[in-house]
Amino acid sequence: QQQVKQSPQSLIVQKGGISIINCAYENTAFDYFPWYQQFPGKGPALLIAIRPDVSEKKEGRFTISFNKSAKQFSLHIMDSQPGDSATYFCAARTDQTGANNLFFGTGTRLTVIP
Amino acid sequence: GAGVSQTPSNKVTEKGKYVELRCDPISGHTALYWYRQSLGQGPEFLIYFQGTGAADDSGLPNDRFFAVRPEGSVSTLKIQRTERGDSAVYLCASSRGQASSGANVLTFGAGSRLTVL
Repeated sequence: QQQVKQSPQSLIVQKGGISIINCAYENTAFDYFPWYQQFPGKGPALLIAIRPDVSEKKEGRFTISFNKSAKQFSLHIMDSQPGDSATYFCAARTDQTGANNLFFGTGTRLTVIP
Repeated sequence: GAGVSQTPSNKVTEKGKYVELRCDPISGHTALYWYRQSLGQGPEFLIYFQGTGAADDSGLPNDRFFAVRPEGSVSTLKIQRTERGDSAVYLCASSRGQASSGANVLTFGAGSRLTVL
């Protein structure tokens, strides 16, 4: 059972455009929601993360929007660049003691066309 | 080291063989995680160590999989009687401490790609 559902599977965006990736979850015990970026042949790297006590977090061109009531969160990449072409994973985790594993979405392959 | 180091980067083996995958975490990181990433999928949790002990091994798929971290630093993932379905990238990650101590950032290695023929 997929704990975190991610869409779309792939995304093609023109340079300068906005990339939007969506995720949804069911487990209300989740209270930490990171996004990871993965380039081919590399491990995932933390991009940005949010806790559910805020509805939005922005770091540079990357913004997470969080809707606690809908149990959804999304990543927005503004002014998308060819160097942003990678696979993006949303994830979720509960910080309850002993439950330390991240549950990942299935990934979105982003291609930014010059 | 500066990052999480995993060896080998690629391993090809035959069905039924035994393999070991090694992870060298960031110096000082007490928490270590193993994940498995199949083609086109997100990483799936296998096991988590806090220090030398396996605090959570609920993700290990069956008893052919085992992991150790005897001195609280380097960890080895061991797979017995490998099957073709074990083919995947095995990712190791480390963090400074327990997740409950805050939003501890997991730093991943580049992974070990296992191919079982």
